[in-house]
Parts: sequence; C-alpha cells; structure tokens
Amino acid sequence: QLVLTQSPSASASLGASVKLTCTLSSGRTTYAIAWHQQQPEKGPRYLMKLNSDGSYNKGDGVPDRFSGSSSGTERYLTISSLQSEDEADYYCQTWGTGIHVVFGGGTKLNVL
Amino acid sequence: EVQLVESGGGLVQPGGSLRLSCAASGFTFSNYGMNWVRQAPGKGLEWVSYISTRSSTIYYVDSVRGRFTISRDNAKNSLYLQMNSLRDEDTAVYFCARTSAESDYFEYWGQGTLVTVSS
Repeated sequence: QLVLTQSPSASASLGASVKLTCTLSSGRTTYAIAWHQQQPEKGPRYLMKLNSDGSYNKGDGVPDRFSGSSSGTERYLTISSLQSEDEADYYCQTWGTGIHVVFGGGTKLNVL
Repeated sequence: EVQLVESGGGLVQPGGSLRLSCAASGFTFSNYGMNWVRQAPGKGLEWVSYISTRSSTIYYVDSVRGRFTISRDNAKNSLYLQMNSLRDEDTAVYFCARTSAESDYFEYWGQGTLVTVSS
C-alpha cells in the first residue's frame, strides 16, 4: 500500500529556514512526489515536483526560497528566509498505477 | 493565466444530489486530465476522481464509486461532478485540479466550492 507520512505540525522563526519531510511507505525509493501549499481559507497551490534523485521542477512564480531534496524514501521541502505568508499547510502528493493519487496528511507550518 | 473556477456547491439533504462544475480558462482544456479533490472541514486533502483528456479513462476513490460521476465537455472547457446519494461524510470543499502533461501530479487548482450535506 502506497502511503505518505507527514508530521502534523512544524514551527520556525521569521527569517529562519525550515525543512519539512514527507516519507513514502517502505521500499518506494523511486517515487516522485509533488509539494502543495495551502494558505488559510484558500485553495492549494502547486509548489514543485520532486524526483527521487533530488531534482525538482517548480510551479509558476514559486520563489527561490523554496527548494526540494530527496533521500531514500524521504522527500523534503526546505523554505529559507521564512516570511509570514509561508504560514500554511503543506501537503505532499504521489501517484501510481492502481491507486492513482495519494496525499499525505499535511504539515501545518507556524511562523513565529 | 490558468484559471479553474468551481461552482454548484450548496446545502443538500442526505440522499440528495448535486452537480458541481469547473470552468477552465487560460490553457487548452482538451489536452489535460482533470481531477476532483475534496477537503472535509478541518481535515486534509482527499482525491476523489480523475478523467482523462477524451474521457476514456476514469477513476474514483472507493468511497464515492457508484454514487459520483465525473464528466467533461471539451467544447465548453468544463469539468463536472454529478453527486448522488449524498451522505453526511461527503460534506467538504470540492476543488478541481489540472493534471500535469507529463505525469499525475496537480499543477493548478481552483479555489473550491463548499458542499454541505445535512438535514
């Protein structure tokens, strides 16, 4: 079964950096994921597609402060120089034959 | 600019029906697979259904299969979700989302429409 696991919450200070983690179920080391941001009371926004080799393609207008990396079954989203508007929920998403689309449970990021 | 605008949400009684629409603009609609995703109050995202460019391939999450029907009209640049036999647990904001041309991740999202199932 294909499952994505995210920590429910994270926090970091204004101007600092934070690294969010999305863990694929055991053995799924070759899967790509996508990261999405959902600010309060808004629809989600696509941030990037992150491949298993750590390469990524960002969506339109996504700031350079957002980057991705990969290690084994873990996929990371790093946000540097945190701004107040980065306070949001962050979801990872993957896909596969038979299950089509799976979302992680989301991480709520608080910017202190 | 890509835009996806959902409509058709509202309050409906358990067992009732509702039809959601998603109007697409800013891209060649017929070239992309489309999806419905929902979010129950205070909860995370749940994928609901997918339809391919020519409607030849359709998928549903198990919880809605047999009750919901996804469709599209490429001439009208529109995506639809017919929801029948609605249950309390279908209460959610429903988003339409465009699939990437290269793979099954979502590149663009709408702002959502709220469906409330309650007596």
